[in-house]
Amino acid sequence: DEVLTQSPLSLAVTLGQPASISCRSNQSLVYSDGNIYLNWFQQRPGQSPRRLIYKVSNRDSGVPDRFSGSGSDTDFTLKISRVEADDVGVYYCMQGTHWWTFGQGTKVEIK
Amino acid sequence: EVQLVESGGGLVQPGGSLRLSCAASGFTVGNSYMSWVRQAPGKGLEWVSVIYGGGSTYYADSVKGRFTISRDSSKNTLYLQMNSLTTDDTAVYYCVRGGHRSGWFDYWGQGTLVTVSS
Repeated sequence: DEVLTQSPLSLAVTLGQPASISCRSNQSLVYSDGNIYLNWFQQRPGQSPRRLIYKVSNRDSGVPDRFSGSGSDTDFTLKISRVEADDVGVYYCMQGTHWWTFGQGTKVEIK
Repeated sequence: EVQLVESGGGLVQPGGSLRLSCAASGFTVGNSYMSWVRQAPGKGLEWVSVIYGGGSTYYADSVKGRFTISRDSSKNTLYLQMNSLTTDDTAVYYCVRGGHRSGWFDYWGQGTLVTVSS
């Protein structure tokens, strides 16, 4: 089974400072079509998840360019260049290469 | 504008059944990849089921044989029939659009809460 491991599970960040979340898979996420189906979602308190990044590094419409995704094969990272109060919530990585599984989530709060 | 509105959640006893609905607008359910994803209280996200544009359906092992995903193109609505419910099925159920072309799961509904309890 495909397992995604996120770290850290909790992150307290000073406003305006950067933040980084890691997502590691236990097998390659390169699909037979050559794409890597690794997404990042943000879930603000009391809200539904919202997709931020798809296929490793593509930002969804309306997502601030403070958010960026990178990585390859089994190691992936979500970076927030300058954390704002609006970024508080839980962030999940998700893979769609081997069925669909999510990481455990990383809770981001303001220090 | 894409919108997904779930309904049908509620309190049900163990062993009971419930049918969730997801009314879609802004696109056609009948030729889209549609999924159900659930989130137990205070927990993470778990994929439950998918229906492909061509009609193929797939299920997580945890619900296989008990849940059935379907759609009604005339109503532009997605369904999830849930039978033999257990307390482990207690969760918010999200209706989610998106297949491989869009990179999977691009739009989510607001969710509907299913509570299985005696």
